Amino acid sequence: ETGVTQSPTHLIKTRGQQVTLRCSSQSGHNTVSWYQQALGQGPQFIFQYYREEENGRGNFPPRFSGLQFPNYSSELNVNALELDDSALYLCASSWRNEQFFGPGTRLTVL
Amino acid sequence: GQQVMQIPQYQHVQEGEDFTTYCNSSTTLSNIQWYKQRPGGHPVFLIQLVKSGEVKKQKRLTFQFGEAKKNSSLHITATQTTDVGTYFCAGPSNSGYALNFGKGTSLLVTP
Repeated sequence: ETGVTQSPTHLIKTRGQQVTLRCSSQSGHNTVSWYQQALGQGPQFIFQYYREEENGRGNFPPRFSGLQFPNYSSELNVNALELDDSALYLCASSWRNEQFFGPGTRLTVL
Repeated sequence: GQQVMQIPQYQHVQEGEDFTTYCNSSTTLSNIQWYKQRPGGHPVFLIQLVKSGEVKKQKRLTFQFGEAKKNSSLHITATQTTDVGTYFCAGPSNSGYALNFGKGTSLLVTP
């Protein structure tokens, strides 16, 4: 176990709705990254937070947004859900170059 | 932008056979990482290679980083059913913030 936890484990939403996913990083890790993993694909980088600031962003639209809190836990918010947003959402806390992934949240958009 | 490609996409072997997956980057990498994802699970860090030509071993797994630091391979000797999963290579993006993952090689091992 990596010590990274995510909630919820599964979620079903309909198109147009909004969703918030949560992540608690491993103790002492101040950097959190979020990835989207579509079925049969590798994880795709969404964005990274370091000390509560967005530190880098991948090729995702602005309706994907996030937060990091003083305790380094993090949220991923997705507005105006689309069918293609159905995926496994992974958060990873970082120590040096190694990423410790949480178990993920499986989001299904109907 | 930087791309990381892996081949093959799938590999089905009999238990005891060897397995190799190859990873190629469109750009030179400062390091390369390998992850394993079991079916229904999440990626788990296996190893990081940093030096040109580096070779590292973990029991039956051998990892290599190419001389030009643009390619890498993972070789598993005498596969076991516990090796089943998808193996990903990943390199840091140009910005350094993200990891760019390949699409992975899914390994199926039948007894």
